[in-house]
Amino acid sequence: DTGVSQDPRHKITKRGQNVTFRCDPISEHNRLYWYRQTLGQGPEFLTYFQNEAQLEKSRLLSDRFSAERPKGSFSTLEIQRTEQGDSAMYLCASSSPGTDRQTQYFGPGTRLLVL
Amino acid sequence: KQEVTQIPAALSVPEGENLVLNCSFTDSAIYNLQWFRQDPGKGLTSLLLIQSSQREQTSGRLNASLDKSSGRSTLYIAASQPGDSATYLCAVTQTGANNLFFGTGTRLTVIP
Repeated sequence: DTGVSQDPRHKITKRGQNVTFRCDPISEHNRLYWYRQTLGQGPEFLTYFQNEAQLEKSRLLSDRFSAERPKGSFSTLEIQRTEQGDSAMYLCASSSPGTDRQTQYFGPGTRLLVL
Repeated sequence: KQEVTQIPAALSVPEGENLVLNCSFTDSAIYNLQWFRQDPGKGLTSLLLIQSSQREQTSGRLNASLDKSSGRSTLYIAASQPGDSATYLCAVTQTGANNLFFGTGTRLTVIP
């Protein structure tokens, strides 16, 4: 068990470019979550997967955002036509189907800066 | 809509002091409440999880309490150490939901 990993850890992009982030959950965790955290704020929920099915999406997830979890393992979060307001830390978390299912384990995050 | 508030926003204490962090939430229909620690520029580490039917949980020097009916939780840290310096976040899971609603955190500094 190596924990939740995210790649890249940092991304700088110009406004209007597309970016894609990857999250690898703890193996055998069937639930995966994406959150966004801006400076000085707590994380805000974006979307939730159970296995490969995307079951919940926040209203924060505009049509420029898309998330996938093919085969129910790793997940990607893509932002199209980035805007300066997208600058934030993007956090991924996973939880298990067992008795510990309520505890979400977070990755180190991907910090995005849109210039 | 659930709102989670944490007071104070920042706290500085000398090493060795006991301290209390506060968290309040507006909707008492919660499934559980969690306390997390976040170091600068890093992800979150889960510290304690309290089920809605529980009153408190303890782990080492940490003790978290929950008063669901009044919408309050506290995190008690005993004998604080410089290594405890971090931002502490509380988060609730609504009944029937899967995601966490977070507060804005309390930034703790323990002075050696």
